[in-house]
Amino acid sequence: DTAVSQTPKYLVTQMGNDKSIKCEQNLGHDTMYWYKQDSKKFLKIMFSYNNKELIINETVPNRFSPKSPDKAHLNLHINSLELGDSAVYFCASSPQQEIFINTEAFFGQGTRLTVV
Amino acid sequence: GIQVEQSPPDLILQEGANSTLRCNFSDSVNNLQWFHQNPWGQLINLFYIPSGTKQNGRLSATTVATERYSLLYISSSQTTDSGVYFCAVTGGNKLVFGAGTILRVKS
Repeated sequence: DTAVSQTPKYLVTQMGNDKSIKCEQNLGHDTMYWYKQDSKKFLKIMFSYNNKELIINETVPNRFSPKSPDKAHLNLHINSLELGDSAVYFCASSPQQEIFINTEAFFGQGTRLTVV
Repeated sequence: GIQVEQSPPDLILQEGANSTLRCNFSDSVNNLQWFHQNPWGQLINLFYIPSGTKQNGRLSATTVATERYSLLYISSSQTTDSGVYFCAVTGGNKLVFGAGTILRVKS
């Protein structure tokens, strides 16, 4: 059973398009996150949600809009895609509200977004 | 914010060799994790180790929280150990990652 699953795994799209990445976790966790991994492999948090509420928005452009319909899902919608958005996007989850305090985070398999 | 430094940045090993990866962090933490990103890009949880020592097969990890460092030991390395190893710690409600150690194990 996949704990944190993302779809799609690969996404190639043209500049200016709008796209979404979906994430679901079946671990019963309260908190979910989006991380971005750049071309140098550096991982940085973008957003975190706890029980459908936005907790962290890490100075991400407004073109990125997370949506959490329930605590098991956190989707990422990106408007007007730019070349610089090309990266690998990871979804993650952890058990409790105090983010990462004494808890272990689990990551999805990543979505490789290529903007051409 | 908290800083996480990993060393070495790159490491090439012959199959069967042992290695030690280091993670230094700039502030006290209550969460530290080691991940392996395999060549397919998956982030695999290796250890959740805010303090103490844990072992899992050929891998073990030690965190000395008072001295703000953690070590990941890989013994009898195999080609499947290749990839990037990340250390990550809590900092301001975020899991902050180091830049990683790229490990290549040659057969």
